[in-house]
Amino acid sequence: GQSLEQPSEVTAVEGAIVQINCTYQTSGFYGLSWYQQHDGGAPTFLSYNALDGLEETGRFSSFLSRSDSYGYLLLQELQMKDSASYFCAVQSGYSSASKIIFGSGTRLSIRP
Amino acid sequence: DAMVIQNPRYQVTQFGKPVTLSCSQTLNHNVMYWYQQKSSQAPKLLFHYYDKDFNNEADTPDNFQSRRPNTSFCFLDIRSPGLGDAAMYLCATSRDRGTGGLFFGPGTRLTVL
Repeated sequence: GQSLEQPSEVTAVEGAIVQINCTYQTSGFYGLSWYQQHDGGAPTFLSYNALDGLEETGRFSSFLSRSDSYGYLLLQELQMKDSASYFCAVQSGYSSASKIIFGSGTRLSIRP
Repeated sequence: DAMVIQNPRYQVTQFGKPVTLSCSQTLNHNVMYWYQQKSSQAPKLLFHYYDKDFNNEADTPDNFQSRRPNTSFCFLDIRSPGLGDAAMYLCATSRDRGTGGLFFGPGTRLTVL
C-alpha cells in the first residue's frame, strides 16, 4: 500500500521561514509534489520533485531524498496569505496505472 | 483561459437519489481524476482515466461510477447516495504522469439529505 505522513499543524510568524516535512512509503515511486489549499478552495499545485535535491520557485522550495523516502516544503518570507493547508502527494505506479495520492495535509497558521 | 470546469458547484440530493457530477477541461490533458474530499481531510482518489484506460481504486465503493466520453469531459455518477457521501468532489487533470502537477477544478459540494 501507500502511506504519507506529514505534521497536522504548524504555526509560524509572518516574515519567518517554515519547513513542512513529508515521509512516504510506496512502491513504484515516481515523484513527490506539493499543493496548497485555502479553506473553501481547490488545491493548487506548488512544486514537483522527481530527483533528489532542491527545487526553488520564488518563496517556495521543495526538497526530495529518494533514499530516505522523505521530502519537505520550505516557505520563506511568510505572508499572512500563506495561511492554508499544504499537502504532499506521491506519484507512483506505472504507465496508465500511475496515480497521485495525497498525504493528510498540514494546516499552516501564520501569526503577525 | 485554459481551465477545468465543474458543474454544478453545489448539488443537493436526497438519500438514494442518483446524481451526476460533470467535469470538462480545455487543457487537452490526457489524464483526468476524481477525488473526494471531506472536511479537514486529504483528497481521496476515487478513480482516474489515463486516456481511455480506466483505473478504479480498490476501496472506491461500487456506488460510484465514472464515464469519460471524450478527452474533454468526465462524469461521476453516484447511483444511490448515502449520508456518508456528502463531500467535496474534485476533478483534476494532468498531462501524462502529472510531473507538471494536477490542475483542479473548483469542486462540487454534494449535500445528501
